Amino acid sequence: SQTIHQWPATLVQPVGSPLSLECTVEGTSNPNLYWYRQAAGRGLQLLFYSIGIDQISSEVPQNLSASRPQDRQFILSSKKLLLSDSGFYLCAWSVGQPNEQFFGPGTRLTVL
Amino acid sequence: GEDVEQSLFLSVREGDSSVINCTYTDSSSTYLYWYKQEPGAGLQLLTYIFSNMDMKQDQRLTVLLNKKDKHLSLRIADTQTGDSAIYFCAESIIQGGKLIFGQGTELSVKP
Repeated sequence: SQTIHQWPATLVQPVGSPLSLECTVEGTSNPNLYWYRQAAGRGLQLLFYSIGIDQISSEVPQNLSASRPQDRQFILSSKKLLLSDSGFYLCAWSVGQPNEQFFGPGTRLTVL
Repeated sequence: GEDVEQSLFLSVREGDSSVINCTYTDSSSTYLYWYKQEPGAGLQLLTYIFSNMDMKQDQRLTVLLNKKDKHLSLRIADTQTGDSAIYFCAESIIQGGKLIFGQGTELSVKP
């Protein structure tokens, strides 16, 4: 069966520090991968999606970047965090139709 | 552009039925989904419906789709306190397998 992992589960970082959040998927091949941010207002904002290695699309211009070093690994990074980067970061994967996305447990990021 | 809208809050009594509504704008959506999010957790897929269907039932859950009005609803029968959560409606769009999510409806179940 497929599983998706995210770490760390929680993170408190100072403004201006770097960030690296990791997401890995097990039990499937060549998944589509997604990074979302969920702010306090509850809505989900799609940040990046990837349909394959080295195929990453950015949805919202910002100081975050994403990389996919392996087929089932998706990394969210920042060189310098802003206060506004605080939020709940969710990774998800999907394969084929009906294209339902399966979510990881999330990372709670607090930037102070 | 694509947009999905939901009311933000719903409160029901335990044992009653809950109906959560959603409207969407993209008539080319092939699938529509309902997700549940409990506090501090990721989103859990509850069910989905193909756009050429009107209804789908899965145990206590019934999904109704009115494609003409672009209206989707989720009915939860015999609502329990464990059903308290935020429920998200989402529609699929072709590009990159992306989903467009609504803002979520917070369901509160009172004993």
